[in-house]
Amino acid sequence: DGGITQSPKYLFRKEGQNVTLSCEQNLNHDAMYWYRQDPGQGLRLIYYSQIVNDFQKGDIAEGYSVSREKKESFPLTVTSAQKNPTAFYLCASSLRDRGSEQYFGPGTRLTVT
Amino acid sequence: DAKTTQPPSMDCAEGRAANLPCNHSTISGNEYVYWYRQIHSQGPQYIIHGLKNNETNEMASLIITEDRKSSTLILPHATLRDTAVYYCIVRDRTGRGSTLGRLYFGRGTQLTVWP
Repeated sequence: DGGITQSPKYLFRKEGQNVTLSCEQNLNHDAMYWYRQDPGQGLRLIYYSQIVNDFQKGDIAEGYSVSREKKESFPLTVTSAQKNPTAFYLCASSLRDRGSEQYFGPGTRLTVT
Repeated sequence: DAKTTQPPSMDCAEGRAANLPCNHSTISGNEYVYWYRQIHSQGPQYIIHGLKNNETNEMASLIITEDRKSSTLILPHATLRDTAVYYCIVRDRTGRGSTLGRLYFGRGTQLTVWP
């Protein structure tokens, strides 16, 4: 089946460690996105990529890094510089940026203690 | 920033129509109204979008006022599985505006459907 996968569903890390969240899509979408969601809040954009080997910062990129080496993959690294990393992380993709609907993955809940 | 205002919560009896309002008084001519929903601990799901005409699909209907300053999402026969947070978003779908077609999620409306 086509779709977006994120793994793992739950992730636990110790403070000071970097952690990489996986996002894969087989929808042949050009654009991919990472959002963060805190309890009771809406989604906030971290990074987005419109094409392979290119990405732009969103509203809250500090403490995060991404890569887009393949069209189907857009991993997000939460670095130790991110002050409040515990959150629900959502990946999305769309046919192209700017006009198309975004399809979301199931999310990864990261807990850092 | 989210350019929409939604009530924080609503409830609806199963089988009845759920009417979710949204105010977007500063909407511009290039901006469409989008609706997404998010079931607890899942990723958001696209529902419907429209510019100025009313729209209907298999999930819902979207009614946009003539001045485009508000809209209503209608779930005609709500079920327990429609319990979710519903987000109303205005979006420059052309991508030529400063927001480049980005989606801005506010806090949405928590819809609870009860048996």
